[in-house]
Amino acid sequence: DIQMTQVPSSVSASVGDRVTITCRASQGISDSLAWFQQKPGEAPKSLIYSASSLITGVPSRFSGSGSGTDFTLTISSLQPEDVATYYCQQYKNYPLTFGGGTKVEIK
Amino acid sequence: QVQLVQSGAEVKKPGASVKVACKTSGYKFTSYSIHWVRQAPGQRPEWMGWFNGGDGDRKYAQNFQGRVAITRDTSASTVYMELSRLRSEDTAVYYCASGVGLRVAYWGQGTLVAVSS
Repeated sequence: DIQMTQVPSSVSASVGDRVTITCRASQGISDSLAWFQQKPGEAPKSLIYSASSLITGVPSRFSGSGSGTDFTLTISSLQPEDVATYYCQQYKNYPLTFGGGTKVEIK
Repeated sequence: QVQLVQSGAEVKKPGASVKVACKTSGYKFTSYSIHWVRQAPGQRPEWMGWFNGGDGDRKYAQNFQGRVAITRDTSASTVYMELSRLRSEDTAVYYCASGVGLRVAYWGQGTLVAVSS
């Protein structure tokens, strides 16, 4: 199975700050990577697919980049409603696998 | 708009089976795929398998082989996930998610399955 490793596991930042989350795959996955946002007690919400393509309706402050094994999710200006846990997921190989999550909080 | 509405919470005894429904609306049912993902308390999501809406194929994660079955009722625009031989470690929230191929765009609200004697 492809292992997905996210760093950091948690981040605390001020409103308006730039936040970057990194996801590393244990082997190359091309751009077969998605990002999800999950708020406490809620279902995940899809943000990005194909490493950098924004799902319709997702605010433009979210962006993704990377290819191969290293990927990033960036929130350009952190907002209070962005408090959540963020997960990456690879869909290059079966089984699809998720990263361990990054909890984003407001300082 | 696309909606995925799942069936309600279940409490099961070890060894029993559970069948969770995911009713879809807002898109052409046969064009999209449905994935099943579960999440135990405080854990990362875990992919269980998917139903490829394009060709009707199914694929299951090795961890669930022999215990999980995904079926589809096209007339009801509903996909089902049945997990058998339940054990306490299967206690989790089960989600259906839909998209094109292996890419997921839409999620159901989740169904809590609790396994307890």
